[in-house]
Amino acid sequence: EAEVAQSPRYKITEKSQAVAFWCDPISGHATLYWYRQILGQGPELLVQFQDESVVDDSQLPKDRFSAERLKGVDSTLKIQPAELGDSAMYLCASSGGRYNEQFFGPGTRLTVL
Amino acid sequence: DQQVKQNSPSLSVQEGRISILNCDYTNSMFDYFLWYKKYPAEGPTFLISISSIKDKNEDGRFTVFLNKSAKHLSLHIVPSQPGDSAVYFCAASAQTGANSKLTFGKGITLSVRP
Repeated sequence: EAEVAQSPRYKITEKSQAVAFWCDPISGHATLYWYRQILGQGPELLVQFQDESVVDDSQLPKDRFSAERLKGVDSTLKIQPAELGDSAMYLCASSGGRYNEQFFGPGTRLTVL
Repeated sequence: DQQVKQNSPSLSVQEGRISILNCDYTNSMFDYFLWYKKYPAEGPTFLISISSIKDKNEDGRFTVFLNKSAKHLSLHIVPSQPGDSAVYFCAASAQTGANSKLTFGKGITLSVRP
């Protein structure tokens, strides 16, 4: 069964360092999403791509976060510099069907010390 | 302002009984609703969805009911099994197309007792 791949699964970093997360969506899915989930909350959208174009990045803290999907397939989310409040689960999802059923990867658990 | 609300943080039921998980929404533009299940240290798994043109959708042990006038939906699991123990998220979108953002509730932790 096709799955969304993410790496790394876990990342521990010190504040002010740079971190990067990678996502490979389900093959053929044109839409890719990055969400952040803080413990006890639901996932919140950071950025949405349609192919290689950004559709929505209104909730992305652009002073420190960046995202790209250069060839319209896999994607990278970067944080530089990381802050203590960035500790969370970072989830990637993709969709490509008629309805908005988004399929999530296993996530990257980020801990900023 | 929470547009999707799951007001009960947790629910505990006996194995074999029915689990009813509730969700309320405030945005009248939402027209597609989904339920996701999440185990610790894993990403959410899609469970079942419903379009606003329907009031019920069933898939095996899982049924979702939608009451548009009350802006309320519920997920019924019958019979509940210990493996159903997880966090359940209700989500909504304002378009049924493939490029619409999901708004999630905070989740409900379901515990199914053997």
